[in-house]
Amino acid sequence: DAGVIQSPRHEVTEMGQEVTLRCKPISGHNSLFWYRQTMMRGLELLIYFNNNVPIDDSGMPEDRFSAKMPNASFSTLKIQPSEPRDSAVYFCASKEGRDYGYTFGSGTRLTVV
Amino acid sequence: GEDVEQSLFLSVREGDSSVINCTYTDSSSTYLYWYKQEPGAGLQLLTYIFSNMDMKQDQRLTVLLNKKDKHLSLRIADTQTGDSAIYFCAETGGSYIPTFGRGTSLIVHP
Repeated sequence: DAGVIQSPRHEVTEMGQEVTLRCKPISGHNSLFWYRQTMMRGLELLIYFNNNVPIDDSGMPEDRFSAKMPNASFSTLKIQPSEPRDSAVYFCASKEGRDYGYTFGSGTRLTVV
Repeated sequence: GEDVEQSLFLSVREGDSSVINCTYTDSSSTYLYWYKQEPGAGLQLLTYIFSNMDMKQDQRLTVLLNKKDKHLSLRIADTQTGDSAIYFCAETGGSYIPTFGRGTSLIVHP
């Protein structure tokens, strides 16, 4: 298995632009999570899905952030409009069932200038 | 809410043992995890321990859990330069969604 695949690996965009981050979870994993990592706040859970349904989006910072999971093999995190304070590494992770740890993707490093 | 605390840095000499400590507050924790993050990479699950265990050993790694004190530690024997990374402690309570610590940067020097 190729693991959790995220794209792009790096994204540099100008303030105000729309940014879309993509994630392909491990086949058979029924839960998918989006995290944001910064030096200031560490690892923050933004939203998670169970069987493609959003369960908890209380970590999404603002209405500028939205996430979708149209099917079991694909999810997107969109920021519109982007702001410099959104600069961070965004991780997607997936897991099977309730009892074991996540498998993380390699992350997308977002820089908003 | 739940909280997981770790010291930010640990520096050890190559060949020595490293001990990374973590405390947590959620008394309903079921699983406790250690993840490793190398530069430019995602978090990689190293090991986990169920809350009814007090020790787990896996090659150079030993996890100790003191449930009474809500204290978890990760011991790495014969630490190598390749062990240099950030180590995250995490715990799951009733929600089965892990709460992560801020991570401990392990620096291994010759």
